[in-house]
Amino acid sequence: QLVESGGGVVQPGGSLRLSCAASGFTFSSYGMHWVRQAPGKGLEWLTYIRYDEGNEYYADSVKGRSTISRDNSKNTLYLQMNSLRPEDTAVYYCAKSNGDYINSWGQGTLVTVSS
Amino acid sequence: QSVLTQPPSVSGAPGQRVTISCTGSNSNLGAGYDVHWYQHPPGTAPKLLIYDNINRPSGVPGRFSASKSGTSASLAITGLQVEDEADYYCQSFDTSLTAYVFGTGTKVTVL
Repeated sequence: QLVESGGGVVQPGGSLRLSCAASGFTFSSYGMHWVRQAPGKGLEWLTYIRYDEGNEYYADSVKGRSTISRDNSKNTLYLQMNSLRPEDTAVYYCAKSNGDYINSWGQGTLVTVSS
Repeated sequence: QSVLTQPPSVSGAPGQRVTISCTGSNSNLGAGYDVHWYQHPPGTAPKLLIYDNINRPSGVPGRFSASKSGTSASLAITGLQVEDEADYYCQSFDTSLTAYVFGTGTKVTVL
C-alpha cells in the first residue's frame, strides 16, 4: 500500500514536500517513482529513485526544482518541490517500480499552486 | 510534451474490438525498451494492464492484449465492456531523455 501526504495549496514560488508511506512490501528492495496528472491532462512521469538511492532520474519539467529522496528505515518516499508554478498544479502519485514498469500506485495527493 | 503518441480517443459498442496505438521512436521503443500499458478510470489510481509488451498481470481479463513492433505498439480490447471506459496510457523508457515516459493517453468510450 502506498499513501501520499503533504499536498495542499501553495503560492507561486513556494515549496512543498510530499511524502509517501509504503507498507505491505519490502520498500528497500524497490525503485520508486513520482507521477502527476494536471487537471484535464494526461499522466506525466516526474522522477525515479533506485532502491538503494544509487540512481535518480528527472523529467525536464521538474529537473533542478525538485528532489526525490527516500528513507528506507522509515519506508517512506519524498518529493521536495521548489519554485512552484501554477502549471505544477496536479494530483501527485507515488508508485512502486518493478523493473521498468509501475505495478502499484498510491491514491494521489492534490497540489494546488495559486495565489 | 510526450515522446509517445497515442490517439486522443477511440470508441466502440459493447462487444466490439478497439485498438489503441502507441508510436515512439528509435530512442525508446525502437531502441528495444519494453512498453507497458495502464488503465486509468476517472477518480481512481492508474492500474497496470500490460507489462513487458505482451504480459497481463494476474486479474487482468483476457480481453486485453498487446503487441509491439519496432517503434510502435498497440493495445487491443476484444469484447468491449462498459467498465472498460477509462483513459489508457502506454509507457516506456527513453534513452535520449534518460527518463521514463508516458504516452499522450487515449480515452476509451463505450457507446
